[in-house]
Amino acid sequence: EIVLTQSPGTLSLSPGERATLSCRASQSVSSSYLAWYQQKPGQAPRLLVYGASSRASGIPDRFSGSGSGTDFTLTISRLEPEDFAVYYCQQYGGSPPFTFGPGTKVDIK
Amino acid sequence: QVQLVQSGSELKKPGASVKVSCKTSGYVFNSYALNWMRQAPGQGLEWMGWINTNTGNPTYAQGFTGRFVFSLDTSVSTAYLQISGLKAEDTAVYYCARERGRTACFDPWGQGTLVTVSS
Repeated sequence: EIVLTQSPGTLSLSPGERATLSCRASQSVSSSYLAWYQQKPGQAPRLLVYGASSRASGIPDRFSGSGSGTDFTLTISRLEPEDFAVYYCQQYGGSPPFTFGPGTKVDIK
Repeated sequence: QVQLVQSGSELKKPGASVKVSCKTSGYVFNSYALNWMRQAPGQGLEWMGWINTNTGNPTYAQGFTGRFVFSLDTSVSTAYLQISGLKAEDTAVYYCARERGRTACFDPWGQGTLVTVSS
């Protein structure tokens, strides 16, 4: 099983600041198969980034993904009030084929 | 637009069964696999498995065999998750999500169905 570890667990920032979220895999993950989701309280997750660096439709360009191998990053260049949420990374490969990281909560400082 | 609309919250007693529906619209139903995820209260996301919308063949993740059944009704573009022998630890929000084939990610998701198991 490919285990995803996300850090930090909680990131306390102010609106306008830059957020850098890390996702580390226990084994190499194909960049084609690394995705990021945003989840707000009481809502379903929303796809932000797929293929490690491609933004999903309708996602603002302040969100960007990067990385390869075992280390991936989601960057939010300038936090807007609506960006305070939990962020999950997800990979495809191995057995089970899909796994999620435990999430990073971005909250207001 | 593409939409996945799930059935409403359920309150069940231990030992009972529940069937959650996921009605899709806005795309050709059998062009994309449908996956199911579980999120226990205050916890992260767990992949439960998927169903091939062409063949109806389900695949279950470890820990979701035996009491969990995925099914389809292609005539109404709807997928179902049935859980039997409910336990308190099955209390969770269950999500269906369309799989984006080549990129192996999930988009969009249903709004989620809260299943509460309590005596």
